[in-house]
Amino acid sequence: DTGVSQDPRHKITKRGQNVTFRCDPISEHNRLYWYRQTLGQGPEFLTYFQNEAQLEKSRLLSDRFSAERPKGSFSTLEIQRTEQGDSAMYLCASATSRTGNEQFFGPGTRLTVL
Amino acid sequence: GENVEQHPSTLSVQEGDSAVIKCTYSDSASNYFPWYKQELGKRPQLIIDIRSNVGEKKDQRIAVTLNKTAKHFSLHITETQPEDSAVYFCAASYFGNEKLTFGTGTRLTIIP
Repeated sequence: DTGVSQDPRHKITKRGQNVTFRCDPISEHNRLYWYRQTLGQGPEFLTYFQNEAQLEKSRLLSDRFSAERPKGSFSTLEIQRTEQGDSAMYLCASATSRTGNEQFFGPGTRLTVL
Repeated sequence: GENVEQHPSTLSVQEGDSAVIKCTYSDSASNYFPWYKQELGKRPQLIIDIRSNVGEKKDQRIAVTLNKTAKHFSLHITETQPEDSAVYFCAASYFGNEKLTFGTGTRLTIIP
């Protein structure tokens, strides 16, 4: 499968624990996005990378959230001191500036905070 | 920031009939409007998109229309089939601000 991949697919954690998710974009896609989707809602933008540079962060991304893309390839999203309100599907998408804005989504990581 | 509204939230149509989903956006700078289909438990998949330099785009049974003046765009699905049942999301963005702002989704059910 040459599409966007995410790991893990499911994560159950206890409140207060830290979690880290990984996203591998489509090869040679220089843009990478993180979104959060709660039940019955559309995805909400969290943050965006072009190559290794983090160009935009949503106000939804509190100081407990941090994202990295150290070599301009895969990205990680870490949530510290998880809260029950963090329970959601975390989606990653990638795109290439050569073909415009088309974003291709990964399967997501479903986080459940108990 | 951009705000995208989507209607209806649920839509049921008989197999073979047409379905129309409508979205409005607030930021006149938006110039890219994709539509995504999301089946239960699966990733959103891009089904069609339109840029602001055209008013209509068609791909087999799916078409999208854009009215820049009124700031609304619509998805049209003709000859609906059971496999069209899913949640559909519209979104908007513009070159230079690449994040997508999504609507709240339309759950489309095709009745056999």
